[in-house]
Amino acid sequence: AAGVIQSPRHLIKEKRETATLKCYPIPRHDTVYWYQQGPGQDPQFLISFYEKMQSDKGSIPDRFSAQQFSDYHSELNMSSLELGDSALYFCASSLGFRDYEQYFGPGTRLTVT
Amino acid sequence: SQQGEEDPQALSIQEGENATMNCSYKTSINNLQWYRQNSGRGLVHLILIRSNEREKHSGRLRVTLDTSKKSSSLLITASRAADTASYFCATCNQTGANNLFFGTGTRLTVIP
Repeated sequence: AAGVIQSPRHLIKEKRETATLKCYPIPRHDTVYWYQQGPGQDPQFLISFYEKMQSDKGSIPDRFSAQQFSDYHSELNMSSLELGDSALYFCASSLGFRDYEQYFGPGTRLTVT
Repeated sequence: SQQGEEDPQALSIQEGENATMNCSYKTSINNLQWYRQNSGRGLVHLILIRSNEREKHSGRLRVTLDTSKKSSSLLITASRAADTASYFCATCNQTGANNLFFGTGTRLTVIP
C-alpha cells in the first residue's frame, strides 16, 4: 500500500539558510500534519492542513511557513535556519479531519551546521 | 511533553514475556493512538482507541483506556526481539483540531 512520501530524506544546511521540505500524502488523504522531533524528544505538532486550508497551528516558529497544494501535497518552508532547528521533521496524513488515524512518513532529517 | 507522561521510560524484558506500557494525559480527548518508532526512523501507527471505547485488540497488542483516570495502557504479549523500539501514545484532544499530542515515550528492549 502507498505510504506518505517525504523528500528529501536528509538535508544539511548552514545557519541562516533556507530549506524546503516536501510531503506527499497517502492517495485520497485530504489532511496533512507536520511534526518536529528533536534528538531524544517526543514529536511536537507544528501545523496542519485540511482541504488545502490551514486547520491548526502548534509550536511553529514565525520563520517557518507551510502550505498544502491543489494535489494535496504540502511543503514546509524554513528560513533563517538556526542550530536548534536540527531535528527530524515528520509529515503525517489522514483521511478526514477528525478522529482518524494519522499515518506518518519516514521523516526528513535536517542538520543545521 | 505537550501531553503527559509515559511509564516506564525504559523497559527491558526477555523474549516471550509480556510488556506493559502506561500513558497518562491531561485533557479530555477524542481518541488516543499508539505508535512505534525504531531508532531515528518513522512513526508506525499501531492502534487507535476512541474515548467511548475501553479496550481494543490488534494481534498481540491490547490497549485499554480509562478516561476517568486519563490513562491508557499498551500490552504487547509474547514479545519478540523485533518489538524493540520506542512506543509513544498520542492524544487527539477535544479542541476541534485533529493534531496529536505525544507522550514522552517508553523505550522497550526485548532480549532474545
